[in-house]
This record gives sequence, structure tokens and C-alpha cells, in this order.
Amino acid sequence: NAGVTQTPKFQVLKTGQSMTLQCAQDMNHEYMSWYRQDPGMGLRLIHYSVGAGITDQGEVPNGYNVSRSTTEDFPLRLLSAAPSQTSVYFCASLRGAGYGYTFGSGTRLTVV
Amino acid sequence: KQEVTQIPAALSVPEGENLVLNCSFTDSAIYNLQWFRQDPGKGLTSLLLIQSSQREQTSGRLNASLDKSSGRSTLYIAASQPGDSATYLCAVIPEGETSGSRLTFGEGTQLTVNP
Repeated sequence: NAGVTQTPKFQVLKTGQSMTLQCAQDMNHEYMSWYRQDPGMGLRLIHYSVGAGITDQGEVPNGYNVSRSTTEDFPLRLLSAAPSQTSVYFCASLRGAGYGYTFGSGTRLTVV
Repeated sequence: KQEVTQIPAALSVPEGENLVLNCSFTDSAIYNLQWFRQDPGKGLTSLLLIQSSQREQTSGRLNASLDKSSGRSTLYIAASQPGDSATYLCAVIPEGETSGSRLTFGEGTQLTVNP
């Protein structure tokens, strides 16, 4: 099925560990974004990309890295996990501003 | 900084009732506004998108309106059904953000439709 695929769905990390959240889309969308969702804070933008090789910071980028080597993939890297990064992470893709977003089903991350 | 507020935070209605969800934003310089639905443990589904030059959009039993100058949008759900139970979020894209990549979200309204 066409859409945005996120892996893994659940992950538990120890403080200080690193990991990569995977995101892939098969709709040939230029624009991709990472959001985190926390109770009482809503969804907040972490990083986004407007095309292969082009990324930029969102509202809460600290502690995260991204790269966009292909149109399809937009991985999010946690460099040294902290308990404050416990959250649900969503990847989204978009054809352009006049179109609706397609979101992945999310990755629930717990840092202990 | 743009802030998006949704009222009420939670709403419980009997099946068949018509209802209105509210969204307000502090900066009227928006490119568009979108309404999403989120089911528990799932991702977001795009429901309606209203461009800044539009007043409303309709899809089935859903109607979204936009009053850009007053910083308000409403989502009207007609003849609600238990399957409409979900969290509804609104989000805005700032004016000039032609890529649409920088959404600012409200915290959502959790809707429960009772049979």
C-alpha cells in the first residue's frame, strides 16, 4: 500500500544510547518532516526536508540529526538518548503546500 | 510565534448530534489551515485543507470554515456517529511557506460519540 512507513513501532533505549528511526515513502513526495507528540504539548516539528540533500531545523531540533540522501527515505537519528526524548515520533510526507499530508503510524520511544 | 488553540479539549455527545469543534490561531498570516483526525495509537489522517483565500471546505458530513482575519476556524460534523470518535487536530502553515513543511498544531479536541 502506498504511504509512509515508519520502523520500528516501539523502542526502549537506555540513556546515552543512539538509534535511528526509519521513515520511507513511496509517493515520490518532495517534502518530508519529523514531528514528536507529547501530552500537553501537541505535535512539534523536529526537522524537515524540501528535497533530496536539503534539510532544515524545526522547533525542537536539539539532540536529533537527519539526512535525505534519496527522495524516499528520511531517517531521524538520536545521537545520545535522554529521558526527555521519550515521545511518539511521526514522519510525514507532502506533495506540496496545497495538498494534504500523509503521516506514518508512529514510533513510540521510551528512554530509561 | 504562532500559537494554535483548540476548544474544547474534550467533547462527549450522543449519536446523531451535530457538533462544532473550534480552532484559533494568534498570527493571521497563514498559507493554509488543515484539519486532521487521529485515532488512538495511530497516525494522523488529513481531513480538510483550507487555503487562506478560501472560506470553507466540505467533505461528506464534514465542513470546515476559516475566518483568517479573526484567527478562527471551525470544523462542523453533521449527524455524528460512534465511528467519528477520535482526536481532531487543526494545524496552520505560515504565509510564505510554500513547501508546506512547517505545520504548527493545536493540542486537539478528543471527541467521543456515544451510541
